[in-house]
Amino acid sequence: AQSVAQPEDQVNVAEGNPLTVKCTYSVSGNPYLFWYVQYPNRGLQFLLKYITGDNLVKGSYGFEAEFNKSQTSFHLKKPSALVSDSALYFCAVRDMTYGGSQGNLIFGKGTKLSVKP
Amino acid sequence: EPEVTQTPSHQVTQMGQEVILRCVPISNHLYFYWYRQILGQKVEFLVSFYNNEISEKSEIFDDQFSVERPDGSNFTLKIRSTKLEDSAMYFCASSRQAGSYEQYFGPGTRLTVT
Repeated sequence: AQSVAQPEDQVNVAEGNPLTVKCTYSVSGNPYLFWYVQYPNRGLQFLLKYITGDNLVKGSYGFEAEFNKSQTSFHLKKPSALVSDSALYFCAVRDMTYGGSQGNLIFGKGTKLSVKP
Repeated sequence: EPEVTQTPSHQVTQMGQEVILRCVPISNHLYFYWYRQILGQKVEFLVSFYNNEISEKSEIFDDQFSVERPDGSNFTLKIRSTKLEDSAMYFCASSRQAGSYEQYFGPGTRLTVT
């Protein structure tokens, strides 16, 4: 079965320090991977995606993510965290049941990022 | 920047009642989706819609659910007879294409069934 795992319920980081939010996936074929962020009382906002090509992808707000095929991981990173980065982060993979053509996403359970001043 | 909008932001209804959740996707997008998130749980896929028909649906999307695009802008999710376990945040999303294209999500409708 296709799935996404986010092993950490919460990640705590001091402002200015690097942050990593972990994600691993299980999907048949080549994965289409996405990161979304959810602020309180808001919808999910797209951050970045990996489809093909360079394993390091850059996205919005200074975030980046590294695709590692051998470890089936797609960890979200940022070199220097801001207090305003505090939010809920979701990793997602395209459901490849129909070769990805239908487009629906399979989400991880989310990781709460807390950045303290 | 264009956004997906959803109304209402919060809907309270009694068990057994019908509810309609409304969404206005981004105007040049062709694929539309509904997801739900029960409090404290994962975001779950419900249904995808393309070319005026359902293209895929999950096990959650049973006969009590239906979707419609009644005009060129709105996309609706109807729950015919709500149950307590339908209480959740419902998110609408749209994308220009499927496959590698990202989906843009609305702010959600919180449905509370009492």
